[in-house]
Amino acid sequence: DVKVTQSSRYLVKRTGEKVFLECVQDMDHENMFWYRQDPGLGLRLIYFSYDVKMKEKGDIPEGYSVSREKKERFSLILESASTNQTSMYLCASSPWGGGSYEQYFGPGTRLTVT
Amino acid sequence: AQRVTQPEKLLSVFKGAPVELKCNYSYSGSPELFWYVQYSRQRLQLLLRHISRESIKGFTADLNKGETSFHLKKPFAQEEDSAMYYCALRNSGGSNYKLTFGKGTLLTVNP
Repeated sequence: DVKVTQSSRYLVKRTGEKVFLECVQDMDHENMFWYRQDPGLGLRLIYFSYDVKMKEKGDIPEGYSVSREKKERFSLILESASTNQTSMYLCASSPWGGGSYEQYFGPGTRLTVT
Repeated sequence: AQRVTQPEKLLSVFKGAPVELKCNYSYSGSPELFWYVQYSRQRLQLLLRHISRESIKGFTADLNKGETSFHLKKPFAQEEDSAMYYCALRNSGGSNYKLTFGKGTLLTVNP
């Protein structure tokens, strides 16, 4: 059973703080993704990574950065949190090739920036 | 540019009634489409993909290239089908493992 875990279910931070969201997968997947999920806006891709130390910007990368030092771990960093970054953050992973493009999602981190 | 449109934010039906969640896409190549579902307090998960041509939990979805649609259907809705549903399109080209998601439709099945 694929397991994608996220470090926190709920997080409250202050404006200007540096925030780290951690994601770990145990299926040796090459690809990992960070999305934010907002009502009425659906899932929007922030960043993704297709290999260790490799990353590409998604649709809304502004205000975010990522780090992938190990294959199983993908971190999302908010350099200086702002109130408009209050959202649900979803991490996902998927294998490379093999005909399967299914993404496996973590439970989400609900971040509130005050 | 690829785009996935789910025209209904909210859909409410009664138990036992047929349900259809609409999905339209714009894409220049050969599309690969998926439906994902998120039940209350659960993680987002794959429901079905068009290449599998399978029925999952009574749901089916047919790719109609002429109408560029991939509507999700179930003949008799159940209360446990209440959830958020997302249609997704797989990207082509170099980043072909990326998915483009629609904005989602919240389905409520009333008793």
